[in-house]
Amino acid sequence: AQSVTQLDSQVPVFEEAPVELRCNYSSSVSVYLFWYVQYPNQGLQLLLKYLSGSTLVKGINGFEAEFNKSQTSFHLRKPSVHISDTAEYFCAVTLRGGSEKLVFGKGTKLTVNP
Amino acid sequence: GAGVSQTPSNKVTEKGKYVELRCDPISGHTALYWYRQSLGQGPEFLIYFQGTGAADDSGLPNDRFFAVRPEGSVSTLKIQRTERGDSAVYLCASSLNRDNYGYTFGSGTRLTVV
Repeated sequence: AQSVTQLDSQVPVFEEAPVELRCNYSSSVSVYLFWYVQYPNQGLQLLLKYLSGSTLVKGINGFEAEFNKSQTSFHLRKPSVHISDTAEYFCAVTLRGGSEKLVFGKGTKLTVNP
Repeated sequence: GAGVSQTPSNKVTEKGKYVELRCDPISGHTALYWYRQSLGQGPEFLIYFQGTGAADDSGLPNDRFFAVRPEGSVSTLKIQRTERGDSAVYLCASSLNRDNYGYTFGSGTRLTVV
């Protein structure tokens, strides 16, 4: 079975600083990878996904992530964060050819301070 | 509608009672998923519908949980003999079709069992 580890439960940063949210996964077969953002009292919103092709994936709101198969990682990055980026971020995987159910990490709370 | 609608947004029930949670997916989306998100955790998969049938119900925790989607659109998650441990946010997501991986999540139903 696949699993996802988000190494940091909380990440505080200052506005306009760069940020990296780490995600590692475990799976014996090929997977697809996702990052979602959850604002307070809202549902999950897709930031970006890796299905195939270029390992560097660009998403919404200036975020990007890089798939590294050898390190089984899919870290999320943004070069300069805004106060409005404060939210919970979830990494998720699903098996290629499976039922498409997502397996989520426990989340990383990003807090952007002025 | 424009998005995935879940009702009610909040539900408080007494231990032992029966509850129903409703999900109205985006029109035309054939795939529908239920997830449960406990406090401080990532969402956990419960059940996946493709059309009217439950294609994968491996995430339902026990036989107190049941879900239906009789006409291939609206789905209802049913919980019998609720327990305090069932308290969580129940999320619904829909997708246009299999292999699309373009899930849209609703805002969830916050269930509190007292």
